[in-house]
Amino acid sequence: DTGVSQNPRHKITKRGQNVTFRCDPISEHNRLYWYRQTLGQGPEFLTYFQNEAQLEKSRLLSDRFSAERPKGSFSTLEIQRTEQGDSAMYLCASSKRTGENTEAFFGQGTRLTVV
Amino acid sequence: AQSVTQPDIHITVSEGASLELRCNYSYGATPYLFWYVQSPGQGLQLLLKYFSGDTLVQGIKGFEAEFKRSQSSFNLRKPSVHWSDAAEYFCAVGASANQAGTALIFGKGTTLSVSS
Repeated sequence: DTGVSQNPRHKITKRGQNVTFRCDPISEHNRLYWYRQTLGQGPEFLTYFQNEAQLEKSRLLSDRFSAERPKGSFSTLEIQRTEQGDSAMYLCASSKRTGENTEAFFGQGTRLTVV
Repeated sequence: AQSVTQPDIHITVSEGASLELRCNYSYGATPYLFWYVQSPGQGLQLLLKYFSGDTLVQGIKGFEAEFKRSQSSFNLRKPSVHWSDAAEYFCAVGASANQAGTALIFGKGTTLSVSS
């Protein structure tokens, strides 16, 4: 068990470019979450998968944001036409559905800087 | 709507002194409560969680928290702070695991500084 892995750790991009982040969850975890954390704030929930099904996406910040988890394993978060306001830490978490246990394990995040 | 309030943005504690970080939540049903710690450049590490049962829960690194339903609080405590405890601490509330879209709602965090 190597924990939740996120790549890249840092990304600097020019405004208007598209970016994609990858998250590899803990192997036996069927739930995967994406959060955004801006400076001085707590993480903000964006979207959630159970296996390959995206069960909640209404919290995605705009239609420029999309996420996939095609085979129920790794997930990608894409931001199209990036804006300076997208600069933030993007966190991925995973959990295993075991009864009432919703303990989530977080990756180290991808820090996005839009210039 | 669910929400979490951490009233203290920044706390400074002397090394060896006791610590209490406050957390108040707003949630209509039985909450699932968590405390996470985040060191600079690092992800979130779970300190402890409350799902049900004993309202005083023990966590890692000598931390404990007490769930008080009447006060809608879940305060984090440590009897003796170490310099390595300096970090950002987040309280979070989660919905029932039986609901789709289970996600954590986080407070804005409390930054802990430890003075020697």
